Amino acid sequence: DTGVSQNPRHKITKRGQNVTFRCDPISEHNRLYWYRQTLGQGPEFLTYFQNEAQLEKSRLLSDRFSAERPKGSFSTLEIQRTEQGDSAMYLCASSPPTLIPRKWGQGDFGANVLTFGAGSRLTVL
Amino acid sequence: EDQVTQSPEALRLQEGESSSLNCSYTVSGLRGLFWYRQDPGKGPEFLFTLYSAGEEKEKERLKATLTKKESFLHITAPKPEDSATYLCAVNRGSTLGRLYFGRGTQLTVWP
Repeated sequence: DTGVSQNPRHKITKRGQNVTFRCDPISEHNRLYWYRQTLGQGPEFLTYFQNEAQLEKSRLLSDRFSAERPKGSFSTLEIQRTEQGDSAMYLCASSPPTLIPRKWGQGDFGANVLTFGAGSRLTVL
Repeated sequence: EDQVTQSPEALRLQEGESSSLNCSYTVSGLRGLFWYRQDPGKGPEFLFTLYSAGEEKEKERLKATLTKKESFLHITAPKPEDSATYLCAVNRGSTLGRLYFGRGTQLTVWP
């Protein structure tokens, strides 16, 4: 298992263009999350999938943002009509099903233990 | 509102000089407090999860503790490779995996 994979790692685009990021989670993880991190800040939750269903979206996720997870495997995050304020690191994370045997001291809430990818850095000019 | 506050924002230590990082939180229904390490240009890496006051976890030179209002990450005899940003996060219980992060403490350990 190679962990959570994100592509592209870096994207530079002009204001108004559309961009798409891809995330491949750990294969046995059914939960997938998108977070956004700006310089000097901690990651902020954007949205969450359980299998192919998008179950929660943050108010940060404006109507220019759309995320999909077809077939419950990889996920894409698209930003339409990018703005300079969209410049950030977009992080994908995955986690296993809720009830897992106690392992590495993680307890029963395995779903709370997120494995993050390296992120996709977006710069909007 | 600020739910997770980390201090100090930055910390410089000499190799071998032990210290502690603080994370205070103001959430009810805590369903877990998490410590992550983040290296420049990389995603956060999971370190510990704590669920109840009095709980402690250890890993190499790191030890995390939890009270009802705050958590400490103790670093014993740090090495330069411990240099990173340490992030604290909480889960309020509404959605598993929806974490609220602090801004982090940037730790630099010099030889």
